Amino acid sequence: GENVEQHPSTLSVQEGDSAVIKCTYSDSASNYFPWYKQELGKRPQLIIDIRSNVGEKKDQRIAVTLNKTAKHFSLHITETQPEDSAVYFCAVPSNTGKLIFGQGTTLQVKP
Amino acid sequence: EAGVVQSPRYKIIEKKQPVAFWCNPISGHNTLYWYRQNLGQGPELLIRYENEEAVDDSQLPKDRFSAERLKGVDSTLKIQPAELGDSAVYLCASSLAPGTVLWPQHFGDGTRLSIL
Repeated sequence: GENVEQHPSTLSVQEGDSAVIKCTYSDSASNYFPWYKQELGKRPQLIIDIRSNVGEKKDQRIAVTLNKTAKHFSLHITETQPEDSAVYFCAVPSNTGKLIFGQGTTLQVKP
Repeated sequence: EAGVVQSPRYKIIEKKQPVAFWCNPISGHNTLYWYRQNLGQGPELLIRYENEEAVDDSQLPKDRFSAERLKGVDSTLKIQPAELGDSAVYLCASSLAPGTVLWPQHFGDGTRLSIL
């Protein structure tokens, strides 16, 4: 089955710096790669996703890059702000369509 | 557009008691998912519905968990009897019918279950 590895597990940056979180997956047939942000006690919120026919997608300060050959994709947050502090999860669909989530990255943005 | 609605938000029960969670998906979303999220971990799928049909329930502990989606809209997840290890957040999500394309899944606020 699909295996998803997410790194790092924790990330601390200074406000204004960039943050990068990486996920690797095992099934080369995967074609959809979402990222979720979850604040404490709240729902996972879809913040950006990418399909396998593109290598990069950007939405204001966040971007996702995909390397299908190497089977990894990354979340990039630029000009980080304290409100970016949360747990971020990557996910990859299994061959049955369910999402397999990574272990999560706790991002702390220090003001 | 209203999001995925779940109730209750919190539930505290004693072990061996029954408990039920309710979910109303986003209007027009044919696919509904129930996930369980343990503390410090990502959500894990329990069951997925396409309309009224449960198409993936391989991770549902069927000895004590049951789910239904009788009219293809709202869904209920039940645990009977609850065990201490069932303490978790139960999340509902919905998406358009995937077909050959995987559509984004949108989550509700979840039900935080605590077993005493």
